[in-house]
Amino acid sequence: RKEVEQDPGPFNVPEGATVAFNCTYSNSASQSFFWYRQDCRKEPKLLMSVYSSGNEDGRFTAQLNRASQYISLLIRDSKLSDSATYLCVVNYDQAGTALIFGKGTTLSVSS
Amino acid sequence: DAGVIQSPRHEVTEMGQEVTLRCKPISGHDYLFWYRQTMMRGLELLIYFNNNVPIDDSGMPEDRFSAKMPNASFSTLKIQPSEPRDSAVYFCASRYSGQPSYEQYFGPGTRLTVT
Repeated sequence: RKEVEQDPGPFNVPEGATVAFNCTYSNSASQSFFWYRQDCRKEPKLLMSVYSSGNEDGRFTAQLNRASQYISLLIRDSKLSDSATYLCVVNYDQAGTALIFGKGTTLSVSS
Repeated sequence: DAGVIQSPRHEVTEMGQEVTLRCKPISGHDYLFWYRQTMMRGLELLIYFNNNVPIDDSGMPEDRFSAKMPNASFSTLKIQPSEPRDSAVYFCASRYSGQPSYEQYFGPGTRLTVT
């Protein structure tokens, strides 16, 4: 069974805070990993891919631990515009077609 | 550039009626995906096509659901007869196989309510 588990939150943080989301996946045969962002009543959009060595995109840092089957997303210096639901996504095939989505973690950043 | 286009954006129908959802993928994309999103189950893949051919429909909940892709620029997802438990947001997504990132581009979704 292929599952992706996330803490649903919500995470309520003030502007400028650092917040971290975690995600675990059940199937060790997973090929690639992503974080998608979904705004309220909108479609999901790719935030960033997650690489084994860890990767950073501005205020966002993603990390992967294959041994523990664990993925994380760190957001530094939170902005009001970061308020959204963050979906952890695991791909199980080499064609990039078998995406399994977590149910998402909701972040609310307040001023 | 136009993104993935879906219609209608909202659909309210009565139980037992036929519902047809439509999708136009991004031009040049050779994969098309249909997803359903509910609070309880999250985002689930229903079916996907590659070069207009259905590849995996194992996520289609039952025979009441069917999907077609008659050409590279159009796909439909049909529910007949519809039931209240089909109420959800249905997303269409597309991607290009030559893009290494595996990114899927989602349409705005169709919010379906079956009463």
